Amino acid sequence: NAGVTQTPKFQVLKTGQSMTLQCAQDMNHEYMSWYRQDPGMGLRLIHYSVGAGITDQGEVPNGYNVSRSTTEDFPLRLLSAAPSQTSVYFCASSYSADSNQPQHFGDGTRLSIL
Amino acid sequence: GIQVEQSPPDLILQEGANSTLRCNFSDSVNNLQWFHQNPWGQLINLFYIPSGTKQNGRLSATTVATERYSLLYISSSQTTDSGVYFCAGSTSGTYKYIFGTGTRLKVLA
Repeated sequence: NAGVTQTPKFQVLKTGQSMTLQCAQDMNHEYMSWYRQDPGMGLRLIHYSVGAGITDQGEVPNGYNVSRSTTEDFPLRLLSAAPSQTSVYFCASSYSADSNQPQHFGDGTRLSIL
Repeated sequence: GIQVEQSPPDLILQEGANSTLRCNFSDSVNNLQWFHQNPWGQLINLFYIPSGTKQNGRLSATTVATERYSLLYISSSQTTDSGVYFCAGSTSGTYKYIFGTGTRLKVLA
């Protein structure tokens, strides 16, 4: 198993550009989520999904869209990038959203918006 | 949503010293994990511990679910233990996994 794979690892965008951060897992996990980590801070939940076709908002969803068309993939879209979205983005997955299920994290995508 | 507080925010130790990190939750959690974020930014899963006590080498963790806190013990610390330690948890039915702000640990040789 490759675990949770995030691409790209690094990206620089200009204000107003759009892009999609990719996240894929090969563990047949139902639950997937996206976080952002700003310097010196903990991780904040952006969006999550409890299964294919089901998504919901986390703590900081504004400016981001997600979709979950397959169990394996959970892309995060920035429609019009803003400097405030400069951050490190982590994707995570777990077998289910219910009790007793640890989360597994990808290595992160470092995104800079100029 | 739940609030997660971690203490202390910063900790500097001499190599070989022991330490205790604490995580308090504002509500009961049914999923609780401890992570180590290494200098390269990777999140390493240390323990999944919604209740009870677990040990892995020099690290151990205890969660007292009824009192809504968890402790991470590091014994005989090494320089490779440096980094940021996070706890995170979710409450039943919310599906939102919330992180604390972390404890930044520096172990000096």
